[in-house]
Amino acid sequence: QSALTQPASVSGSPGQSITISCTGTTSDVGNYNLVSWYQQHPGKAPKLIIFRGNDRPSGVSNRFSGSKSGNTASLTISGLQGEDDADYYCSSYAGSGISVFGTGTKVTVL
Amino acid sequence: EMQLVQSGAEVRKTGDSLKISCEAAGYNFNNYWFGWVRQVPGKGLEWMGIIYPGDSDTRYSPSFAGQVTISVDKSVKTVYLQWSSLKASDAAVYYCARHRNLAAVDDAFELWGQGTVVTVSS
Repeated sequence: QSALTQPASVSGSPGQSITISCTGTTSDVGNYNLVSWYQQHPGKAPKLIIFRGNDRPSGVSNRFSGSKSGNTASLTISGLQGEDDADYYCSSYAGSGISVFGTGTKVTVL
Repeated sequence: EMQLVQSGAEVRKTGDSLKISCEAAGYNFNNYWFGWVRQVPGKGLEWMGIIYPGDSDTRYSPSFAGQVTISVDKSVKTVYLQWSSLKASDAAVYYCARHRNLAAVDDAFELWGQGTVVTVSS
């Protein structure tokens, strides 16, 4: 499995909305509604923010939302806040118990 | 509530063997999938593999199959990641993590350990 493709960086001003794309193939993103998204601050473990495409774990802000079209999944962060400044990774199930991460996106809050 | 506590930082030489651990405090250990994720300094996350303690069913990413071994000891609620011969390229932070739902192989990692830093020198 090759890593899913994400933009290296995305930036936005406080209050704006940004969208991060995650492009896979018909073997992973396109074949399953099982994309998850993780947020990682420097020196910290990743944190799950979206699972099964657009579900949020308890306690995660509803400013985070997910979607998918074909082989590309997307994470939208609305009402951007300073604490959203972090790295974001998508992940997709790829069958036979195996998953794959995306290349990661650095989000900068201007 | 379950917590994942990983073993401490390790410094090894190329060619050395190594086994790092992840202890799961809490109940239902046998019925969740646990996995390992690699992060080379300054780089992204890499999904390595998962194991189900109930029957030791293990799945590896093709990128890591044959390079590492994931194992479990149910008696001490601990999962392991081991190398028989380390390479310089194995230097990274290794996270253990647990799937969200009981027995779900196709799930996201909801619970994470603190990470174990592995340094490999020649």
